Amino acid sequence: DAGITQSPRHKVTETGTPVTLRCHQTENHRYMYWYRQDPGHGLRLIHYSYGVKDTDKGEVSDGYSVSRSKTEDFLLTLESATSSQTSVYFCAISEYSGSYNEQFFGPGTRLTVL
Amino acid sequence: GDSVTQMEGPVTLSEEAFLTINCTYTATGYPSLFWYVQYPGEGLQLLLKATKADDKGSNKGFEATYRKETTSFHLEKGSVQVSDSAVYFCALITNTGNQFYFGTGTSLTVIP
Repeated sequence: DAGITQSPRHKVTETGTPVTLRCHQTENHRYMYWYRQDPGHGLRLIHYSYGVKDTDKGEVSDGYSVSRSKTEDFLLTLESATSSQTSVYFCAISEYSGSYNEQFFGPGTRLTVL
Repeated sequence: GDSVTQMEGPVTLSEEAFLTINCTYTATGYPSLFWYVQYPGEGLQLLLKATKADDKGSNKGFEATYRKETTSFHLEKGSVQVSDSAVYFCALITNTGNQFYFGTGTSLTVIP
């Protein structure tokens, strides 16, 4: 299994509070991704990174920011959490882009915003 | 834009039944196609993939053939087991892209 961990695995927070989720990899892969999974929507890309300090927006980036100061860590921050951000968040990594891109997923973080 | 459409679930089958989960796609360029599987409480795992037209991906008895003429990548298994109960996601990435596009997932339950 690819070495990907996410922390915390579960979190309950209140509307308006900041929340940071962490993804850590031991594979030295270049690309890292944050997705959210919601019923009826599958997985939707929030942000991704193609190198240290290099990030780009995905399909559902509003209300989220990311940072990547080291190859192994990719942080997702909700500056002011809202109930619509209640979801399961998955981190993924890949070594390549394009056709050879094979993503490996972390175990997920279940976030509940009350 | 790029997108994936897969059949809605949930799907319930008896053990040893034949499985088909339909997946069609829309893409610019030449996509690679994937099936991922998610077991309860876990992240997604790659099940199989195909990177060009007419390729067949296979793994653990599952198969899918990349059909460019019908823009499809249907997942099949000849005889399902209880342990195949999971959610299955079809996905694509174009040869010039960094982003995966996932279908909404199909939940499969196999009963003994």
